[in-house]
Amino acid sequence: QKEVEQNSGPLSVPEGAIASLNCTYSDRGSQSFFWYRQYSGKSPELIMFIYSNGDKEDGRFTAQLNKASQYVSLLIRDSQPSDSATYLCAVTPGGGADGLTFGKGTHLIIQP
Amino acid sequence: NAGVMQNPRHLVRRRGQEARLRCSPMKGHSHVYWYRQLPEEGLKFMVYLQKENIIDESGMPKERFSAEFPKEGPSILRIQQVVRGDSAAYFCASSLGGASTEAFFGQGTRLTVV
Repeated sequence: QKEVEQNSGPLSVPEGAIASLNCTYSDRGSQSFFWYRQYSGKSPELIMFIYSNGDKEDGRFTAQLNKASQYVSLLIRDSQPSDSATYLCAVTPGGGADGLTFGKGTHLIIQP
Repeated sequence: NAGVMQNPRHLVRRRGQEARLRCSPMKGHSHVYWYRQLPEEGLKFMVYLQKENIIDESGMPKERFSAEFPKEGPSILRIQQVVRGDSAAYFCASSLGGASTEAFFGQGTRLTVV
């Protein structure tokens, strides 16, 4: 069974620091990787996507992908209290399937 | 530019009734996905549709659940003879292409079976 693993947290980070969120996946055929943010009771909101090994930066967010290690991460610089949410890692499974496989999410708390 | 629209936002059904959840994708998107999120659980893929076609329903229970995306109108997720275990948040997402492209989620329908 294809799995996406995340530490459920909570991960507590002081305001202004860097928050580092990690995700591992089991399907070596996965090609696309996504990070979603979900506030309590709300819908997932797409933050970042990455397809190639290496880093991808967008504002305060950086996604990192290492396909050899089957590892993807999200860094949030200059963390703000509004970044407090659950962060969901999602991957597209290999083999032609099209539905995203999600991790259970990491609960991030930014302490003022 | 409206995003993905789902209705109703909240739905209460008694055991044995039918639940119909509707989803209108973002303008220009022809790919629709349905996911279910149980309390304290991750999002689980249910079904992937394009206009008039079910592409992948591997995540959908074989009984009582069905989905469609007609040529005109929204996508519909139908749950027949609901049971308490069907209580969950059901999210619809849409994308321009297949799942290798970015998918955007609607606000979800929270189904409560009493």
